[in-house]
Amino acid sequence: DTGVSQNPRHKITKRGQNVTFRCDPISEHNRLYWYRQTLGQGPEFLTYFQNEAQLEKSRLLSDRFSAERPKGSFSTLEIQRTEQGDSAMYLCASSSTGYANTGELFFGEGSRLTVL
Amino acid sequence: QKEVEQNSGPLSVPEGAIASLNCTYSDRGSQSFFWYRQYSGKSPELIMFIYSNGDKEDGRFTAQLNKASQYVSLLIRDSQPSDSATYLCAVVPNTGGFKTIFGAGTRLFVKA
Repeated sequence: DTGVSQNPRHKITKRGQNVTFRCDPISEHNRLYWYRQTLGQGPEFLTYFQNEAQLEKSRLLSDRFSAERPKGSFSTLEIQRTEQGDSAMYLCASSSTGYANTGELFFGEGSRLTVL
Repeated sequence: QKEVEQNSGPLSVPEGAIASLNCTYSDRGSQSFFWYRQYSGKSPELIMFIYSNGDKEDGRFTAQLNKASQYVSLLIRDSQPSDSATYLCAVVPNTGGFKTIFGAGTRLFVKA
């Protein structure tokens, strides 16, 4: 098990372009989370899935953001018509739902987005 | 009011001292509380979790929870320079789901 994997690790794009990030969680983990983190701030909750169902989405999240987890395994986060304010580190995390689950989130290394 | 509030610091302590990090949360029904450590340029990693009122100790770390005051703290004994990092308080609010909300973090510097 190699942990949570995210790619690309870095993405530079021009304002107005669309970008997509992929997250592969730890294989036995049912829950998958997306967060956004900017310098000096904690991770900001965006959305989470349990299996393929998207259970909650932040009310602060623009309609330009969409996430999917079609088969309950990997997930994608797409940002349409990017804006400079979207520049941030996008973190994916996964957790298990088993009996011994503590609620711990296991984070990937993140995908850094720079919008020019 | 933010859901999870922390003093952003920085908090500076000498090596060997006790570092005390504090956090308050707004949802009185919250049930699960976590402390994560984040080194510069790295992702958060769990240090401790606590569910019940009182203290929970793990090595040099002690988490304290007071649900009546909606307050969580982390004590780091015998602080080491390697403890220098940002410490994130995280809470699972009582919304019927499993989202985890993070505070802004407290930057800790341990001076050798």
